[in-house]
Amino acid sequence: AQKVTQAQTEISVVEKEDVTLDCVYETRDTTYYLFWYKQPPSGELVFLIRRNSFDEQNEISGRYSWNFQKSTSSFNFTITASQVVDSAVYFCALRGAQKLVFGQGTRLTINP
Amino acid sequence: NAGVMQNPRHLVRRRGQEARLRCSPMKGHSHVYWYRQLPEEGLKFMVYLQKENIIDESGMPKERFSAEFPKEGPSILRIQQVVRGDSAAYFCASSPGLAPNNEQFFGPGTRLTVL
Repeated sequence: AQKVTQAQTEISVVEKEDVTLDCVYETRDTTYYLFWYKQPPSGELVFLIRRNSFDEQNEISGRYSWNFQKSTSSFNFTITASQVVDSAVYFCALRGAQKLVFGQGTRLTINP
Repeated sequence: NAGVMQNPRHLVRRRGQEARLRCSPMKGHSHVYWYRQLPEEGLKFMVYLQKENIIDESGMPKERFSAEFPKEGPSILRIQQVVRGDSAAYFCASSPGLAPNNEQFFGPGTRLTVL
């Protein structure tokens, strides 16, 4: 069975601090995809990144970066110089064949 | 090119009533997925449909819930005799095909409140 664990339920930091959101996954598939989504207070799901299981390169997009380590089954997400607008619930997700399996989410609060 | 459309965005029902949630996939997409997000929880897969076929309904509750994706028109998630525990956000996603790397695009969700 597939499983995604986001051990951090809530994180609160002061603006401009760096923050890392952890994601650990379990799967028996050899080919799979990992995702991060952002859910702001308005409730919609905003796609942030997709990574396939054969690509362990880290990725940076502006203030966002992702660290995929297959050896530890982790796909962590770092926000550098956080801003109040980053406040949201962040979900990590895993997809094998078709359906997405989501973690429980991490509620991130950035305080001014 | 419009994204995935869901309506209504908010739906209020009294216990025992029926709820119908609609999802119009992106143009050219023939695969639809429904997910449910209970309060303070992550999204849980419910059902995966292609046109006129249910492919995987392993996440659907055994009773009161049904889904369809007809040849013409939107996909419908139907909940009969709603109970308070059905209060949740229901998200629909669509993708163009079967390949594993086909992206699932999410709609804005329907928030169901059962009084």
